[in-house]
Amino acid sequence: EVQLVESGGGLVKPGGSLRLSCTASGFSLSIYSMVWVRQAPGKGLEWVSFVSSTNSHKYYADSGKGRFTISRDNAKNSLYLEMNNLRVDDTAMYFCARDPGGGSFSRYFNLWGRGTLVSVSS
Amino acid sequence: SYVLTQPPSVSVAPGETARMTCGGDNIESKSVHWYQQRPGQAPELVVYDDSARPSGVPARLSGSNSGNTATLTISGVEAGDEADYYCQVWDNTNDLVLFGGGTKLTVL
Repeated sequence: EVQLVESGGGLVKPGGSLRLSCTASGFSLSIYSMVWVRQAPGKGLEWVSFVSSTNSHKYYADSGKGRFTISRDNAKNSLYLEMNNLRVDDTAMYFCARDPGGGSFSRYFNLWGRGTLVSVSS
Repeated sequence: SYVLTQPPSVSVAPGETARMTCGGDNIESKSVHWYQQRPGQAPELVVYDDSARPSGVPARLSGSNSGNTATLTISGVEAGDEADYYCQVWDNTNDLVLFGGGTKLTVL
């Protein structure tokens, strides 16, 4: 089955760090650009970060610049989001999603994981 | 920076037509994509590149984009269409992904 599965969420104190993972099954992650998108409780979707299939392009929303780092390990068929200096307003469900463009960017996302919950609280 | 504006809610009776708008400056120059998110679930792509449908999405759902407004139209609304709907574009100027605030579709 073609799917994405996120993991690594949890409860962390303000200022702490977490590393989220997104593992693909049923297809090779290596040929696709990927994104992280988050959703605070009761709120809308907010894009977090983008990485191209070749790792040559990485983009971040202002909310995470300097604190979040997106990376991928194609050998492990996995995508990551390293989050440092976490704040209370980073509390959200974090989804990974696939851009279907292969070697180019389609700039939309046709496969989503079910998300992993990050809670930042003292 | 570029902003996408969606009405917070739309309500229609079963069998009627729901129209959900996504406003943006000269949005017709951009490709607009739409996602459906049912409660407790991940988003699902329902329209891409303004009006194309992924396989498996019924023809009742259609998209258009003109001027400053993109529209997702659902004809013959069913109870199962009740969900939040988000529009999305790529901001080429700043290399970032933008989502609208979302519209909650209620089937009366």
